[in-house]
Amino acid sequence: GAVVSQHPSWVICKSGTSVKIECRSLDFQATTMFWYRQFPKQSLMLMATSNEGSKATYEQGVEKDKFLINHASLTLSTLTVTSAHPEDSSFYICSARDPRNYGYTFGSGTRLTVV
Amino acid sequence: KNEVEQSPQNLTAQEGEFITINCSYSVGISALHWLQQHPGGGIVSLFMLSSGKKKHGRLIATINIQEKHSSLHITASHPRDSAVYICARETSGSRLTFGEGTQLTVNP
Repeated sequence: GAVVSQHPSWVICKSGTSVKIECRSLDFQATTMFWYRQFPKQSLMLMATSNEGSKATYEQGVEKDKFLINHASLTLSTLTVTSAHPEDSSFYICSARDPRNYGYTFGSGTRLTVV
Repeated sequence: KNEVEQSPQNLTAQEGEFITINCSYSVGISALHWLQQHPGGGIVSLFMLSSGKKKHGRLIATINIQEKHSSLHITASHPRDSAVYICARETSGSRLTFGEGTQLTVNP
């Protein structure tokens, strides 16, 4: 089945630094990828939709200058958390839709801790 | 009120029991998804439904479009089924809105 690879699986960074999270579709081309955030004991929330070759679409309340999304190829989308703060500590997960069966495949997630 | 509501929030069962998790949504959908999230955070897609019923192994998912309700059933539950089960509605643009999840624990 479809595989989406997400790296890193966990990262600890200092306040004020930037962190890049990568999401790759390994066996299919993904023109669209989705980025979600999940705080402890809460449901997943869609942050943005990443579109290959064009600007990402951000959900209401998500700062596009803080969460930079780049989708430069059909198999790679990146999320950069800029000037990270402790309140950005969360679980970030990406997904893509397999065009062969329209099912969603999720990355393994990245646990970000900002200290 | 959450657009997607799940019940129960927590469910503990004995191995072998039949389990039902319910999901209600408030607006129309293009599809309804059931997902499984393991303790490490990884998410697996179980079902995508737009009508009727689907079965995969011991898992069965049903949906009633008129009543805006879906159920996930697990037959002959096993400790390895312990996970968070999440219902998500899909609307235009492939956007998913998630329920808060049901924490299932199956004891041996």
